[in-house]
Amino acid sequence: GENVEQHPSTLSVQEGDSAVIKCTYSDSASNYFPWYKQELGKRPQLIIDIRSNVGEKKDQRIAVTLNKTAKHFSLHITETQPEDSAVYFCAASRYNFNKFYFGSGTKLNVKP
Amino acid sequence: NAGVTQTPKFRVLKTGQSMTLLCAQDMNHEYMYWYRQDPGMGLRLIHYSVGEGTTAKGEVPDGYNVSRLKKQNFLLGLESAAPSQTSVYFCASSRGTGDYSNQPQHFGDGTRLSIL
Repeated sequence: GENVEQHPSTLSVQEGDSAVIKCTYSDSASNYFPWYKQELGKRPQLIIDIRSNVGEKKDQRIAVTLNKTAKHFSLHITETQPEDSAVYFCAASRYNFNKFYFGSGTKLNVKP
Repeated sequence: NAGVTQTPKFRVLKTGQSMTLLCAQDMNHEYMYWYRQDPGMGLRLIHYSVGEGTTAKGEVPDGYNVSRLKKQNFLLGLESAAPSQTSVYFCASSRGTGDYSNQPQHFGDGTRLSIL
């Protein structure tokens, strides 16, 4: 099955700085890569996703890049704000019943 | 719309007791999933369903059973609870992949389960 590794496990940045979280996957057939944000005690919520037919996708301060050859994808958050503090999860999925394999999560702390 | 609703939100069980967690979605989604979330381990798939009357095993199915008698409901059962099943349980749902494209999953608020 798919194996998704996520780094770093914790990340602390100053407000206004950029944050980058990286994930690697093992199954070359994976073709959909969502990112979820989970605030303390809350549900995971989709913040951005990318499909294998594109290399980059942006949504305001958030961007995701995908390198299919190297089998890694990254989440980029620019101009970080304290409300960006949360745990972020990456996931990978191939077209088979929409099963997601999640990374172990990155706890992002944005210091004011 | 409520989205994905899980009941109960909290529960404490004694070892050996049984219980059922209920997940309900009002988005007419085909697929439904049960995950458990443990510290430092992300979300692990327990069981999932691709339609009413169908279920399948995920990564960590042992000790759990599921049923999907109605499209909008997905039940997770623990027949004989063990301390190792102490966790936060999340239900999720998604549209089907009939157009051959993966769909994002929508999560409920979770059930915090402690087994003593």
